[in-house]
Amino acid sequence: DAGITQSPRHKVTETGTPVTLRCHQTENHRYMYWYRQDPGHGLRLIHYSYGVKDTDKGEVSDGYSVSRSKTEDFLLTLESATSSQTSVYFCAINGASAREQYFGPGTRLTVT
Amino acid sequence: AQTVTQSQPEMSVQEAETVTLSCTYDTSESDYYLFWYKQPPSRQMILVIRQEAYKQQNATENRFSVNFQKAAKSFSLKISDSQLGDAAMYFCAYRRGNTGNQFYFGTGTSLTVIP
Repeated sequence: DAGITQSPRHKVTETGTPVTLRCHQTENHRYMYWYRQDPGHGLRLIHYSYGVKDTDKGEVSDGYSVSRSKTEDFLLTLESATSSQTSVYFCAINGASAREQYFGPGTRLTVT
Repeated sequence: AQTVTQSQPEMSVQEAETVTLSCTYDTSESDYYLFWYKQPPSRQMILVIRQEAYKQQNATENRFSVNFQKAAKSFSLKISDSQLGDAAMYFCAYRRGNTGNQFYFGTGTSLTVIP
Protein backbone atom coordinates (compact mmCIF):
# COMPACT_ATOMS: atom_id res chain seq x y z
CA ASP A 1 0.00 0.00 0.00
CA ALA A 2 1.71 3.18 -1.21
CA GLY A 3 -0.41 5.56 0.88
CA ILE A 4 -2.46 6.99 -1.96
CA THR A 5 -6.15 7.74 -1.69
CA GLN A 6 -8.55 9.10 -4.25
CA SER A 7 -11.90 10.77 -3.76
CA PRO A 8 -14.57 10.29 -4.72
CA ARG A 9 -14.31 6.62 -5.70
CA HIS A 10 -17.40 6.81 -7.89
CA LYS A 11 -19.17 9.77 -9.43
CA VAL A 12 -21.98 10.27 -11.88
CA THR A 13 -22.38 13.74 -13.32
CA GLU A 14 -24.14 15.47 -16.17
CA THR A 15 -22.62 16.86 -19.31
CA GLY A 16 -21.45 20.43 -18.88
CA THR A 17 -20.93 20.31 -15.12
CA PRO A 18 -17.55 20.88 -13.48
CA VAL A 19 -15.94 17.95 -11.70
CA THR A 20 -12.92 17.80 -9.41
CA LEU A 21 -11.14 14.61 -8.44
CA ARG A 22 -8.74 14.57 -5.54
CA CYS A 23 -5.59 12.54 -5.01
CA HIS A 24 -3.96 12.49 -1.60
CA GLN A 25 -0.61 10.90 -0.73
CA THR A 26 1.06 10.35 2.61
CA GLU A 27 4.49 9.53 1.18
CA ASN A 28 5.71 13.10 0.65
CA HIS A 29 6.73 12.29 -2.92
CA ARG A 30 7.55 15.09 -5.29
CA TYR A 31 6.02 13.57 -8.44
CA MET A 32 2.31 12.86 -8.86
CA TYR A 33 0.39 11.79 -11.94
CA TRP A 34 -3.14 11.55 -13.29
CA TYR A 35 -4.04 8.83 -15.79
CA ARG A 36 -7.24 7.73 -17.43
CA GLN A 37 -7.99 4.12 -18.28
CA ASP A 38 -10.23 3.19 -21.17
CA PRO A 39 -10.86 -0.18 -22.83
CA GLY A 40 -8.47 -0.74 -25.70
CA HIS A 41 -6.17 2.09 -24.63
CA GLY A 42 -4.54 0.98 -21.40
CA LEU A 43 -3.59 3.90 -19.17
CA ARG A 44 -2.83 7.29 -20.67
CA LEU A 45 -1.22 10.22 -18.90
CA ILE A 46 -3.34 13.34 -18.49
CA HIS A 47 -1.12 15.62 -16.40
CA TYR A 48 1.65 15.29 -13.90
CA SER A 49 3.23 17.41 -11.20
CA TYR A 50 6.88 17.64 -10.19
CA GLY A 51 6.34 19.86 -7.18
CA VAL A 52 3.99 22.34 -5.54
CA LYS A 53 2.54 24.54 -8.28
CA ASP A 54 4.68 22.77 -10.90
CA THR A 55 2.69 20.81 -13.45
CA ASP A 56 2.97 19.64 -17.03
CA LYS A 57 0.75 18.10 -19.68
CA GLY A 58 0.57 14.47 -20.69
CA GLU A 59 -0.64 12.96 -23.92
CA VAL A 60 -4.41 13.44 -23.31
CA SER A 61 -4.59 16.76 -21.45
CA ASP A 62 -7.29 18.51 -23.50
CA GLY A 63 -10.34 19.29 -21.36
CA TYR A 64 -8.48 18.79 -18.08
CA SER A 65 -6.68 21.07 -15.68
CA VAL A 66 -4.73 20.29 -12.52
CA SER A 67 -3.57 22.05 -9.42
CA ARG A 68 -1.16 21.25 -6.64
CA SER A 69 -1.08 23.68 -3.74
CA LYS A 70 0.32 21.17 -1.22
CA THR A 71 2.77 18.32 -1.64
CA GLU A 72 0.20 15.77 -0.56
CA ASP A 73 -2.72 16.81 -2.78
CA PHE A 74 -3.08 16.78 -6.55
CA LEU A 75 -6.43 17.84 -8.01
CA LEU A 76 -7.79 17.02 -11.45
CA THR A 77 -10.57 19.24 -12.77
CA LEU A 78 -12.89 18.77 -15.68
CA GLU A 79 -14.14 22.30 -16.29
CA SER A 80 -17.14 21.16 -18.32
CA ALA A 81 -17.53 17.40 -18.36
CA THR A 82 -18.29 15.60 -21.61
CA SER A 83 -19.40 12.03 -22.26
CA SER A 84 -15.97 11.28 -23.76
CA GLN A 85 -14.50 11.86 -20.31
CA THR A 86 -16.38 8.90 -18.89
CA SER A 87 -13.49 6.76 -17.68
CA VAL A 88 -11.62 5.37 -14.72
CA TYR A 89 -9.09 7.86 -13.38
CA PHE A 90 -5.96 6.82 -11.55
CA CYS A 91 -3.56 8.86 -9.53
CA ALA A 92 0.02 7.66 -9.17
CA ILE A 93 3.23 8.58 -7.41
CA ASN A 94 6.82 7.55 -7.98
CA GLY A 95 8.26 4.86 -5.77
CA ALA A 96 11.12 5.51 -3.41
CA SER A 97 13.64 4.59 -6.09
CA ALA A 98 11.74 6.83 -8.54
CA ARG A 99 11.83 4.01 -11.10
CA GLU A 100 8.37 2.54 -10.66
CA GLN A 101 4.99 4.11 -10.05
CA TYR A 102 2.39 3.21 -7.47
CA PHE A 103 -1.26 3.78 -8.06
CA GLY A 104 -4.28 4.87 -6.09
CA PRO A 105 -7.47 2.81 -6.10
CA GLY A 106 -9.04 4.69 -9.01
CA THR A 107 -12.15 6.82 -9.50
CA ARG A 108 -14.91 5.72 -11.83
CA LEU A 109 -16.46 8.77 -13.46
CA THR A 110 -19.60 8.56 -15.55
CA VAL A 111 -20.75 11.60 -17.52
CA THR A 112 -24.35 11.30 -18.67
CA ALA B 1 5.90 9.00 -28.39
CA GLN B 2 6.89 5.57 -27.26
CA THR B 3 4.62 2.66 -28.09
CA VAL B 4 3.99 -0.49 -26.14
CA THR B 5 2.15 -3.34 -27.81
CA GLN B 6 0.42 -6.26 -26.20
CA SER B 7 -0.87 -8.42 -29.02
CA GLN B 8 -2.81 -10.88 -26.88
CA PRO B 9 -6.08 -9.30 -25.65
CA GLU B 10 -7.01 -12.50 -23.81
CA MET B 11 -5.16 -15.54 -22.54
CA SER B 12 -6.14 -18.53 -20.46
CA VAL B 13 -4.17 -21.06 -18.44
CA GLN B 14 -4.95 -24.12 -16.41
CA GLU B 15 -4.30 -23.83 -12.71
CA ALA B 16 -0.73 -24.94 -11.84
CA GLU B 17 0.42 -24.55 -15.45
CA THR B 18 2.72 -21.93 -16.95
CA VAL B 19 1.65 -19.05 -19.19
CA THR B 20 3.62 -16.39 -21.05
CA LEU B 21 2.26 -12.95 -21.84
CA SER B 22 3.88 -11.01 -24.67
CA CYS B 23 4.90 -7.38 -24.91
CA THR B 24 6.90 -5.46 -27.49
CA TYR B 25 7.93 -1.85 -27.38
CA ASP B 26 9.41 0.77 -29.61
CA THR B 27 12.16 3.10 -28.48
CA SER B 28 15.36 4.71 -29.67
CA GLU B 29 16.62 5.11 -26.12
CA SER B 30 19.27 2.89 -24.56
CA ASP B 31 18.38 3.66 -20.96
CA TYR B 32 14.86 2.73 -19.89
CA TYR B 33 12.76 0.60 -17.59
CA LEU B 34 10.08 -1.95 -18.29
CA PHE B 35 7.32 -3.09 -15.99
CA TRP B 36 4.48 -5.51 -15.67
CA TYR B 37 1.44 -4.41 -13.68
CA LYS B 38 -1.46 -6.59 -12.60
CA GLN B 39 -5.00 -5.27 -12.31
CA PRO B 40 -7.41 -7.68 -10.61
CA PRO B 41 -11.18 -7.09 -10.58
CA SER B 42 -10.70 -4.78 -7.61
CA ARG B 43 -9.22 -2.36 -10.16
CA GLN B 44 -6.08 -1.74 -8.06
CA MET B 45 -2.91 -1.50 -10.16
CA ILE B 46 -0.22 -3.71 -8.63
CA LEU B 47 3.42 -3.72 -9.66
CA VAL B 48 4.47 -7.26 -10.50
CA ILE B 49 8.01 -6.93 -11.78
CA ARG B 50 10.54 -4.40 -13.06
CA GLN B 51 13.42 -4.73 -15.53
CA GLU B 52 16.21 -2.21 -16.09
CA ALA B 53 17.37 -2.10 -19.70
CA TYR B 54 21.05 -2.00 -18.71
CA LYS B 55 20.74 -5.32 -16.88
CA GLN B 56 21.25 -8.43 -18.97
CA GLN B 57 19.86 -10.71 -16.28
CA ASN B 58 16.14 -11.30 -16.47
CA ALA B 59 14.17 -10.15 -13.44
CA THR B 60 12.41 -12.70 -11.26
CA GLU B 61 9.89 -12.31 -8.47
CA ASN B 62 8.78 -15.62 -7.02
CA ARG B 63 6.55 -17.28 -9.66
CA PHE B 64 6.90 -14.33 -12.04
CA SER B 65 9.82 -13.93 -14.41
CA VAL B 66 10.52 -12.01 -17.55
CA ASN B 67 12.26 -12.76 -20.82
CA PHE B 68 13.88 -9.47 -21.81
CA GLN B 69 15.22 -9.39 -25.35
CA LYS B 70 16.66 -5.91 -25.78
CA ALA B 71 17.64 -6.21 -29.43
CA ALA B 72 14.22 -7.52 -30.34
CA LYS B 73 12.52 -5.00 -28.03
CA SER B 74 10.54 -7.77 -26.45
CA PHE B 75 9.56 -8.12 -22.81
CA SER B 76 7.42 -11.15 -21.98
CA LEU B 77 6.08 -12.19 -18.59
CA LYS B 78 6.08 -15.83 -17.53
CA ILE B 79 3.81 -16.93 -14.72
CA SER B 80 4.67 -20.35 -13.33
CA ASP B 81 2.40 -22.59 -11.26
CA SER B 82 -0.58 -20.37 -12.07
CA GLN B 83 -3.03 -19.75 -9.28
CA LEU B 84 -6.64 -18.62 -9.30
CA GLY B 85 -5.52 -15.32 -7.79
CA ASP B 86 -3.41 -14.61 -10.86
CA ALA B 87 -6.55 -13.97 -12.89
CA ALA B 88 -6.40 -10.30 -13.85
CA MET B 89 -5.57 -7.79 -16.54
CA TYR B 90 -1.84 -7.50 -17.07
CA PHE B 91 -0.29 -4.33 -18.42
CA CYS B 92 3.18 -3.91 -19.82
CA ALA B 93 4.69 -0.45 -19.31
CA TYR B 94 7.74 1.47 -20.47
CA ARG B 95 9.52 4.39 -18.90
CA ARG B 96 12.52 6.25 -20.28
CA GLY B 97 15.64 6.37 -18.13
CA ASN B 98 16.56 8.88 -15.48
CA THR B 99 15.12 11.90 -17.27
CA GLY B 100 11.80 10.28 -18.12
CA ASN B 101 8.68 10.70 -16.04
CA GLN B 102 6.00 9.49 -18.35
CA PHE B 103 4.99 5.86 -18.37
CA TYR B 104 3.62 4.31 -21.56
CA PHE B 105 1.24 1.42 -21.15
CA GLY B 106 0.13 -1.35 -23.44
CA THR B 107 -3.55 -2.11 -23.91
CA GLY B 108 -3.47 -5.07 -21.56
CA THR B 109 -3.95 -8.84 -21.62
CA SER B 110 -6.84 -10.38 -19.73
CA LEU B 111 -5.69 -13.61 -18.08
CA THR B 112 -8.19 -16.28 -17.07
CA VAL B 113 -7.09 -19.11 -14.80
CA ILE B 114 -9.09 -22.30 -15.26
CA PRO B 115 -9.51 -24.48 -12.16
